[in-house]
Amino acid sequence: DIQMTQSPSSLSASVGDRVTITCRASQGISNSLAWYQQKPGKAPKLLLYTTSRLHSGVPSRFSGSGSGTDYTLTISSLQPEDFATYYCQQYYGTPQTFGPGTTVEIK
Amino acid sequence: EVQLLESGGGLVQPGGSLRLSCTASGVTGYGVTFRNYAMSWVRQAPGKGLEWVSSLSGSGGDTYYADSVKGRFTISRDNSNNMLYLQMDSLRVEDTAVYYCAKPLVVTAIVEAFDVWGQGTMVTVSS
Repeated sequence: DIQMTQSPSSLSASVGDRVTITCRASQGISNSLAWYQQKPGKAPKLLLYTTSRLHSGVPSRFSGSGSGTDYTLTISSLQPEDFATYYCQQYYGTPQTFGPGTTVEIK
Repeated sequence: EVQLLESGGGLVQPGGSLRLSCTASGVTGYGVTFRNYAMSWVRQAPGKGLEWVSSLSGSGGDTYYADSVKGRFTISRDNSNNMLYLQMDSLRVEDTAVYYCAKPLVVTAIVEAFDVWGQGTMVTVSS
């Protein structure tokens, strides 16, 4: 199985900050990477797929980049509604696997 | 707009069984129906991350399972009624989780990002 790691595991930030979360795969995943946002008690929501493609309805302050084994999610200007846990997911290999999550908290 | 709604969760003793259901609505349009969609189950243990559990092709003929549930869980579907199921047998304490049904972004893809999720149903395995 392809193992996914994320860093940091949590971070504290203020409204308006630029936030970057990193996801690393144990082998190359050919840009088959998605990012999800999850708030407490709610289902995950798809933010980006194929590394950098914004899902319908997702604000443009979210962006993604990367290649090979290393990928990043960037929030250009953190908004109050962005405080949540973020997960990456690879869907290059079977089984598809998720990262452990990064919690973005209010500073 | 596709919507998914899970049901069937609850408290069960170790070794017991439970059947989860997922009802899909809004799945017809642009020549696509529920039978075109591969569907999956993903779970999340309390305070933990997401774990893919099982997937099923649109026809129901191809099934896939995580090693952690293989031989104990069975995924199935009723395309006539837009339903997805997960039969869970020989349940273990470590199966305790919220179970989500999820639809792939590319409707026929087994391994894919998920663009639609249900609200989840809680399964608690405890004596």
